[in-house]
Amino acid sequence: AIQLTQSPSSLSASVGDRVTITCRASQGISSSLAWYQQKPGKAPKVLIYDAFSLESGVPSRFSGSGSETDFTLTISSLQPEDFATYYCHQFSSYPYTFGQGTKLEIK
Amino acid sequence: QVQLQESGPGLVKPSGTLSLTCAVSGGSISSSNWWSWFRQPPGEGLEWIGEIYHSGSTNYNPSLKSRVTISVDKSKNHFSLNLSSVTAADTALYYCARTDGSRTTWGQGTLVTVSS
Repeated sequence: AIQLTQSPSSLSASVGDRVTITCRASQGISSSLAWYQQKPGKAPKVLIYDAFSLESGVPSRFSGSGSETDFTLTISSLQPEDFATYYCHQFSSYPYTFGQGTKLEIK
Repeated sequence: QVQLQESGPGLVKPSGTLSLTCAVSGGSISSSNWWSWFRQPPGEGLEWIGEIYHSGSTNYNPSLKSRVTISVDKSKNHFSLNLSSVTAADTALYYCARTDGSRTTWGQGTLVTVSS
């Protein structure tokens, strides 16, 4: 199975900060990667699909980049509603797998 | 806009079978998408369980394959998950989803607790 390693596992930041979360795949997955935001008790919300495509309705401060083994989710200017846990998810090969999550907390 | 809604017992006894259904509305289950199940134990990360196409073709996570069956009922526009021989480790929020490449539409999730 393809392993996805996110870093950092947790992050403290302030409103207005620029934040970057990385996801490294144990083998190449082309652009078959999505990023989700999850708040407690809620289903994951799709932010980015196909590595860099912004899901409809998601603010443009979210962006994704990368291909093959190295991917990045960037939030250009943190807003209060962005404090949540973020996951990457690969759809390149079975079994589909997730990163372990990055918890973004208020500093 | 497609919406998905999970339903089923919230409590299952150890060694029993967990059975959930996902009702699809706002679209047809016969569309060119895969229909998936995921789960998330309390306080932990996400795990893909498996998926089904409207033709009945399935793919399962090898870690659960011996215990999982996913089926589709096109007449009712829903699909189902059966997980046998459950233990406390199967306690989780279970989500159904529609997958279109790497673009996924999620249900709201349902908590299933395995306990006697």
